[in-house]
Amino acid sequence: EAGVVQSPRYKIIEKKQPVAFWCNPISGHNTLYWYRQNLGQGPELLIRYENEEAVDDSQLPKDRFSAERLKGVDSTLKIQPAELGDSAVYLCASRARSGNTIYFGEGSWLTVV
Amino acid sequence: AQSVTQLDSQVPVFEEAPVELRCNYSSSVSVYLFWYVQYPNQGLQLLLKYLSGSTLVKGINGFEAEFNKSQTSFHLRKPSVHISDTAEYFCAGARAQGGSEKLVFGKGTKLTVNP
Repeated sequence: EAGVVQSPRYKIIEKKQPVAFWCNPISGHNTLYWYRQNLGQGPELLIRYENEEAVDDSQLPKDRFSAERLKGVDSTLKIQPAELGDSAVYLCASRARSGNTIYFGEGSWLTVV
Repeated sequence: AQSVTQLDSQVPVFEEAPVELRCNYSSSVSVYLFWYVQYPNQGLQLLLKYLSGSTLVKGINGFEAEFNKSQTSFHLRKPSVHISDTAEYFCAGARAQGGSEKLVFGKGTKLTVNP
């Protein structure tokens, strides 16, 4: 069974440019998460989806960040415009409806220069 | 409020030595607790989890952890480490009620195993 798939793995962009990350969760998992992990820190939740509905986006900086999960399967996280402080690893994760374990993808490593 | 504290940011050990990575949690409700490992340039991999039942939990790669409710701890242990165990380890917690909807992570402990 395929795990959580993310792309791109690595991205280097100049500040003020846009960037987008894509995530395909484990098949059948209705809950999808986007976490951000700054260097030397633990991951912090940005947004949680239950199917196509964003049920917790309180930590998402809505002035520049947006996310969507239109059909309740894959998801895209966008940053526009990017700032130097956005350099981090963006982790996607998913969980089954009846499950207690959250499974993570390999992450998308963003460097803003 | 719920929080997870990892007491050591870095732990250096020699190969074949035992290791303990410490984790304390703070929660007013029952919690699920997890340990994840992150190898360089990779995502998070689940090592083990405590949901209920036996307080001693065994995971992959020879790791185990013990849930101690009175001390609000969930320390990770391995009796003999290998070079390949060098990685960053994250303790995480979630409210038990309603399922692990949201994980709260500690800041991580970097384990370095030296020859």
